[in-house]
Amino acid sequence: QVQLVQSGAEVRKPGASVKVSCKASGYTFTGYFMHWVRQAPGQGLEWMGWINPNSGGTNYAQKFQGRVTMTRDTSISTAYVELSRLRSEDTAVYYCARDWSGDYGEMRDWGQGTVVTVSS
Amino acid sequence: QSALTQPRSLSGSPGQSVTISCTGTSSDIGGYYYVSWYQQHPGIAPKLIIFDVTKRPSGVPDRFSGSKSGNTASLTISGLQAEDEADYYCCSYAGSYTLVFGGGTKLTVL
Repeated sequence: QVQLVQSGAEVRKPGASVKVSCKASGYTFTGYFMHWVRQAPGQGLEWMGWINPNSGGTNYAQKFQGRVTMTRDTSISTAYVELSRLRSEDTAVYYCARDWSGDYGEMRDWGQGTVVTVSS
Repeated sequence: QSALTQPRSLSGSPGQSVTISCTGTSSDIGGYYYVSWYQQHPGIAPKLIIFDVTKRPSGVPDRFSGSKSGNTASLTISGLQAEDEADYYCCSYAGSYTLVFGGGTKLTVL
């Protein structure tokens, strides 16, 4: 069965960077776009961007341009999101999600989420 | 990209029908047939319940239905059940290979 298993919780100080991983299994990793979506405490879902694991191509939400980098390692079927210059507002649960439709938002499979806390 | 607009909360009694609206613009909902809806229970990842405006993944009850008119998409839940109490989010393709979510609606089953 399809599984997306994310890395564990992280705590960072303001100004630092964090890198979260998402290991995929149960399907052909390079066959489906992977989105990253975050959710601040008590808030709604926020789309951050996607990576095409086949080509490595990416597209980021304008809000995160210059601060976010999405990469992948096809040899271990793992996608990554790195966010730099962290601030307290980046405290959130970060999810990876597999899109069945390319990049049109048919996110059928989700990781369990990774809590990132930014605090001095 | 601005978030799509959803009512912050709605409520209904068991057996009733409720409709959650999601309003965007001609650059997102109005311009494409790629609206999806997600259900999220507290503390767990969202679950896809509608995609491409009206389609349901296998396993999602047909009590859940989606529609779109102009710049507004809607999710209707008929025959409301206690387990439907959750947060609901709409999501639309917004052009230039981007997506945008709604602010979310908290549904309470009375």
